[in-house]
Parts: sequence; structure tokens; C-alpha cells
Amino acid sequence: EVQLLESGGDLVKPGGSLRLSCAASGFTFSTYSMNWVRQAPGKGLEWVAVISLDSRTTYYADSVKGRFTISRDNSKNTLFLQMNSLRAEDTAVYYCARKLNTGNYPVDYWGQGALVTVSS
Amino acid sequence: DIQLTQSPSFLSASVGDRVTITCRASQAISNYLAWYQQKPGKAPELLIYAAFTLQSGVPSRFSGSGSGTEFTLTISSLQPEDFATYYCQQHNNYPRTFGQGTKVDIK
Repeated sequence: EVQLLESGGDLVKPGGSLRLSCAASGFTFSTYSMNWVRQAPGKGLEWVAVISLDSRTTYYADSVKGRFTISRDNSKNTLFLQMNSLRAEDTAVYYCARKLNTGNYPVDYWGQGALVTVSS
Repeated sequence: DIQLTQSPSFLSASVGDRVTITCRASQAISNYLAWYQQKPGKAPELLIYAAFTLQSGVPSRFSGSGSGTEFTLTISSLQPEDFATYYCQQHNNYPRTFGQGTKVDIK
């Protein structure tokens, strides 16, 4: 069974930093691209970032480019999101999600989410 | 970036109704469109991708159609467990973008 378990969500002050982790199990992590998607309270879904299976390629939403960094450790089946210079508008539940397949595919499995609150 | 506009934003329906949700893209995306269902407090679940391909385990009352810039999600006979919010997402290029969502509520 595919499982994705996020951790690291917390309350942080504006301008602060936070690192989210996502532990994957139930599939061969190193053969899938992985994504982060977020959802502000009461709002819709916003795609944040993607990383290729070999970490060679990453893409980011304009709203986080230059502040967030996606990375992975295939030896530990773990995905990361380093978030710097956090703003109030980054407050959201952050989901890690597996891309269904290589090529033009959507995500298929999602974690349960980690809440990040940016407030003074 | 590709903008996706869903209509309606809110839909009130009864069990057994046929429901259709539309998603329009600001530019052509071939058939690279997915539909997700999200229930309160839960992560989204993939229903359909590539416009009409049903994800494994999804009931056949869900179907998708369209290509280019206009797409539809149809629920042939609404069931109690289908009351939720539905999102479309383009998987043609990056940045991936989502529609604003359609909430399906009980009439």
C-alpha cells in the first residue's frame, strides 16, 4: 500500500524558515517524480514544486521560486521542502504527492498533509 | 501560466441526479486534464486523468470528456458519498495549475 507521511509542520514567524519531510513507503520511491501541493485554509489547491526521480530537474510555482527548495533522498525514501523567507500567505496545509508516471501525468497518491502557519 | 476556470463554483443536487462540471483552459492543453475529488479534512483523490481515463478503483459513474480547452466531468447518478469538492488540473506543462473548485452539496 502506497503511504506518504508528511512531518515538520509548525507555527513560524514571518521571515522564518521551516523544513517539511515526507516519508514514502509501499512503492519504489526512486522511480517516481514527487510533488508538493498546498491548500490555504478554506481555499483551493495550489501546486508548489516537483522534483524528478533522479533530482536532476525541479520546477517551482512563481509564488515560491527563490524561497522554497524541493529535494529528495532516495536512500531514505524521503522528500523534503525547505521553506525560507516565509510569509503569511504561505500558511497552508502542505501535501506531498506522487506523480503517477513519467511524462505528462498528474499526481495519484497524496499524503495526509502538514499544517504550516506563518504568523507573528 | 495556464488558467483553468470551473463552472459552476457551487452545485446543489439530489441523490440519483446526473451532474456535469465544466473546466475551461486559457489555452489548448490537448487531453492533459485531471479531475480530483476532495472531502472536508481529507487529501484530494484522483478520479480521472488524460481527460477520460478512469483511475483504478474509481466507480464507473464518473466519466470525463473533452480536449483542447473545454472539458467536462460527469457523475451519472450522484451517490451520498459523492458530495464533495471537485477540482480540475492541467498536467500538460509546468507550473501545474488547478481550477478554483466546484462544491457539490445536497439539495
